[in-house]
Amino acid sequence: EDQVTQSPEALRLQEGESSSLNCSYTVSGLRGLFWYRQDPGKGPEFLFTLYSAGEEKEKERLKATLTKKESFLHITAPKPEDSATYLCAVRVHGPGSGGYQKVTFGTGTKLQVIP
Amino acid sequence: NAGVTQTPKFRVLKTGQSMTLLCAQDMNHEYMYWYRQDPGMGLRLIHYSVGEGTTAKGEVPDGYNVSRLKKQNFLLGLESAAPSQTSVYFCASSSTSSGGPARGRELFFGEGSRLTVL
Repeated sequence: EDQVTQSPEALRLQEGESSSLNCSYTVSGLRGLFWYRQDPGKGPEFLFTLYSAGEEKEKERLKATLTKKESFLHITAPKPEDSATYLCAVRVHGPGSGGYQKVTFGTGTKLQVIP
Repeated sequence: NAGVTQTPKFRVLKTGQSMTLLCAQDMNHEYMYWYRQDPGMGLRLIHYSVGEGTTAKGEVPDGYNVSRLKKQNFLLGLESAAPSQTSVYFCASSSTSSGGPARGRELFFGEGSRLTVL
């Protein structure tokens, strides 16, 4: 069974204090790993897709990396507006032969950045 | 460009009542999904559709039905609501673009529909 585990569940940082969020996964046949940001009362917002071990993606203060067993979301010098829940998801082959690929989400890391 | 739109945004039901959540997307995506999000459980897939006229069960389909009569719309129905269905429901859509194992297939989400069943 595909499993996605995110840690920590919650993280509180001072503004400017860099840190990393972890997403570990156990799947058969990874077809992509996604990072999303979710603000309270809103839907998840797409950040990155990583496809293979060693790949890295960056956007402003965020950098996502991928190994064969886990992904990290590094936050450099965070600001209060980076406060949100960050979700990790994996895409694997789904049932049937129609090309559908199943997406499984982790439970997220709630990040709070204090001014 | 609206993206994915869900209606209604909030609804309160009594046990046993029925209702339908509507999802509309204007990105011409083939795939559409309904998820529910509960504290500590993450997003769980209820039903999905790989194209107009087709639907399939996800991880937690019991108590829900869906229909995809038009490519841009995906309806989620509760025939007899139960308190266990109190949740936030998210609709999402994605394309089927080629160019790699998952390229261009990220999910785009709506803003959510908060349902309370008393």
